[in-house]
Parts: sequence; C-alpha cells; structure tokens
Amino acid sequence: KNEVEQSPQNLTAQEGEFITINCSYSVGISALHWLQQHPGGGIVSLFMLSSGKKKHGRLIATINIQEKHSSLHITASHPRDSAVYICAVKGNDMRFGAGTRLTVKP
Amino acid sequence: KAGVTQTPRYLIKTRGQQVTLSCSPISGHRSVSWYQQTPGQGLQFLFEYFSETQRNKGNFPGRFSGRQFSNSRSEMNVSTLELGDSALYLCASSLDRSSYNEQFFGPGTRLTVL
Repeated sequence: KNEVEQSPQNLTAQEGEFITINCSYSVGISALHWLQQHPGGGIVSLFMLSSGKKKHGRLIATINIQEKHSSLHITASHPRDSAVYICAVKGNDMRFGAGTRLTVKP
Repeated sequence: KAGVTQTPRYLIKTRGQQVTLSCSPISGHRSVSWYQQTPGQGLQFLFEYFSETQRNKGNFPGRFSGRQFSNSRSEMNVSTLELGDSALYLCASSLDRSSYNEQFFGPGTRLTVL
C-alpha cells in the first residue's frame, strides 16, 4: 500500500462544477502540500497545510490530522483548472501521491 | 525575483554515460531538493541540500549524487546511465529546511537515455 493515496485517479467535470480531490496518508507528517502540474511538467505549489483549512480564490484545502486525510476543493471549475493535482506529505522527506488528472470541459 | 532555473532543459544520453544537471534556486533560498518523475513511479524524492550539505537522501542507488555550492546553486550527477533513468528531474528551492515553507519548483530537465 502506498504511503500517500489519492482519489480519484482521473476526474472529468463540466465547467462550473464543484470538484473534490482526496488524499490519505499513513506516515507521520509535519505538513501536507497540494501541487498543480500542467502539461509540459511545470509544478506550482497551491497550498501548504499543517492544520485546518486554507482558501485561495476558488481553491480550498482542508486537512484532518487525526484522520490523516486532506481534501482539495475547486469551486466553479473552469477549463484552465485542467491539470494534474498532486498531494505531497513532508515527514523526514517528501512523499507524493500518484496524482489526480482533472479535465474540465467547457 | 527570478524563479528557479534548471539547465539544460532537455538532454539525450546513451547507456553508460554520465550526466550533470544544474539548478539555480530563487535568490535568498538556501534549501534545494531534487526529485525524479517517471510515468511508472510518479514523483520521488532524490536528495535535499542545505548550507552545502546533503541533509536527506531518498531511496536511490549510489549512481545518483549531488552537491550544493556556497551560492546555494546545486548540481546532481547520474553516473553509468541506465534506460530506467529516463525521467523528468525537478529541483525545488525554499527559504530553509522548515516544513512550513513553500517549495518553488523549476521547469525540470527531461533526460532521455537511449
């Protein structure tokens, strides 16, 4: 079993839909990161969480330390949100989920 | 402020050769981490450098090595290349080693081993 599990692996949505991507981890961590990777490889850090909830524009990230679970929500999704979203946990080193490929159709 | 830069962006090598990749962090950032991304294994941690010292190493063979210079620039080296080393190699910089600092990723070096 992977130490960082993401679901779903692939997600197709219509523009405007509310999207949720989940991340569960089994190791002790000090922080959890959500990353966005567009075609071509560039990775952008969206959030760093150690507790609670954070919001940037239409993106919301939450973490439950006791349950070892985090969610990334996108409200009013848009085609430009199409990308791979990766959950990464920081313990002694960084461990990554396999990613969720999101496609938002107009 | 300039972002993280990596050179070269693309590289083609043959089995048995060695390769050196370079990463220049954001000015003022002292921590540099390296990652390998492949379609099969996803993103995997290679090493972390801070103040010219390797602070952490992932589960990779000794053919993978790196260093960091006094200006925080970092290089990684892969010797005796294998086909399976074909990957996107990413570096990321942050202010220091704190887990609570955002990591800023470079565009990556895409290595193809023939």
